[in-house]
Amino acid sequence: GDSVTQMEGPVTLSEEACLTINCTYTATGYPSLFWYVQYPGEGLQLLLKATKADDKGSNKGFEATYRKETTSFHLEKGSVQVSDSAVYFCALNTGNQFYFGTGTSLTVIP
Amino acid sequence: KAGVTQTPRYLIKTRGQQVTLSCSPISGHRSVSWYQQTPGQGLQFLFEYFSETQRNKGNFPGRFSGRQFSNSRSEMNVSTLELGDSALYLCASSLGLAGGRALETQYFGPGTRLLVL
Repeated sequence: GDSVTQMEGPVTLSEEACLTINCTYTATGYPSLFWYVQYPGEGLQLLLKATKADDKGSNKGFEATYRKETTSFHLEKGSVQVSDSAVYFCALNTGNQFYFGTGTSLTVIP
Repeated sequence: KAGVTQTPRYLIKTRGQQVTLSCSPISGHRSVSWYQQTPGQGLQFLFEYFSETQRNKGNFPGRFSGRQFSNSRSEMNVSTLELGDSALYLCASSLGLAGGRALETQYFGPGTRLLVL
């Protein structure tokens, strides 16, 4: 069935380090892919999205490219900040339902 | 445009009681989905409502139910509460397009944190 698998955490990085959070998916058809971010005590906020193969979503220095050949949508940032500390969720919209990964907790230390 | 709002934000109940949570979607959005988030199980889909009809349902017992009103506001009800129902309940809204549903984005509310004692 349709699903999303993302990198287990937690991830701890120093400020200005590079970030990659892996996400792969299983789906038929032409799904849309998303990254959401959740700060403590809050709901999920849309970070970026891509709706077709080879699309690159970007926001706040984060990027992810929809790779149909590898069924992946890895989240990357070149230089993380303390304020990026949060839980990141990869998600898939098949048109019938949204599927979410288990979340990856990121802590950035000064 | 106002975002998705959920009330109440926090709730404490005891086992056996029932609870009703409310969600107001973004203006113009006709689809409302509910999720349960727990540390152990992550984000689990409960159900989706569109035009006052349940369009999709996850694998939760019948104690979990919902409804949607003509103004797209939605309520979720949990009857006979169990300790394991303690969770953050998230509501998400989307446009609810007639076609191209795979292109839609869900926008989340801040959640209702339910504690069952």
